[in-house]
Amino acid sequence: DAKTTQPPSMDCAEGRAANLPCNHSTISGNEYVYWYRQIHSQGPQYIIHGLKNNETNEMASLIITEDRKSSTLILPHATLRDTAVYYCIVIPPGTYKYIFGTGTRLKVLA
Amino acid sequence: GAGVSQSPSNKVTEKGKDVELRCDPISGHTALYWYRQRLGQGLEFLIYFQGNSAPDKSGLPSDRFSAERTGESVSTLTIQRTQQEDSAVYLCASSRRLASTDTQYFGPGTRLTVL
Repeated sequence: DAKTTQPPSMDCAEGRAANLPCNHSTISGNEYVYWYRQIHSQGPQYIIHGLKNNETNEMASLIITEDRKSSTLILPHATLRDTAVYYCIVIPPGTYKYIFGTGTRLKVLA
Repeated sequence: GAGVSQSPSNKVTEKGKDVELRCDPISGHTALYWYRQRLGQGLEFLIYFQGNSAPDKSGLPSDRFSAERTGESVSTLTIQRTQQEDSAVYLCASSRRLASTDTQYFGPGTRLTVL
């Protein structure tokens, strides 16, 4: 299974874009990249996922490099409520067991 | 619509007692998953169910752990003779079907503390 590497922590000023990187250099062609976040004492919340193309939804944008070895989650206008741990995971086909590492702890500062 | 719900939200028990945790998946979701999250750590897969197929129990840490699901509805995770190392948040998730491309939606979790 492809492993992911994320920085342990990041700070972002309120109202600015938060750009969270993820490396997945061993990803294979049919593996999806998923992003979840976990706000303190809550269950993980789905944010976005993608395969090859960049994706955007009401929460965030996902930019996947052309070689698919890394991706960036963008929160366009971070708010204090976006303070959470963000997890990047790679899902191989036929695997349903999510494996979350320790993620990136994003702190949005007022 | 309603999301995944879990009960109780918190459970404190004494070492050696049995506990039962409940999960109500999103209506219409055929796949259901249980995970464990120890303090400050990532998620550990425990078990998943898909319809009436045999569950994948490969993540259950010991024979003290078991889970049941009736059809495509409620699931219960039972831990017998609890130990202090069982203290964790137990998370349930569901998805429309068992496919790696079907997003798993998580409940709020049950925080289990074994004294």
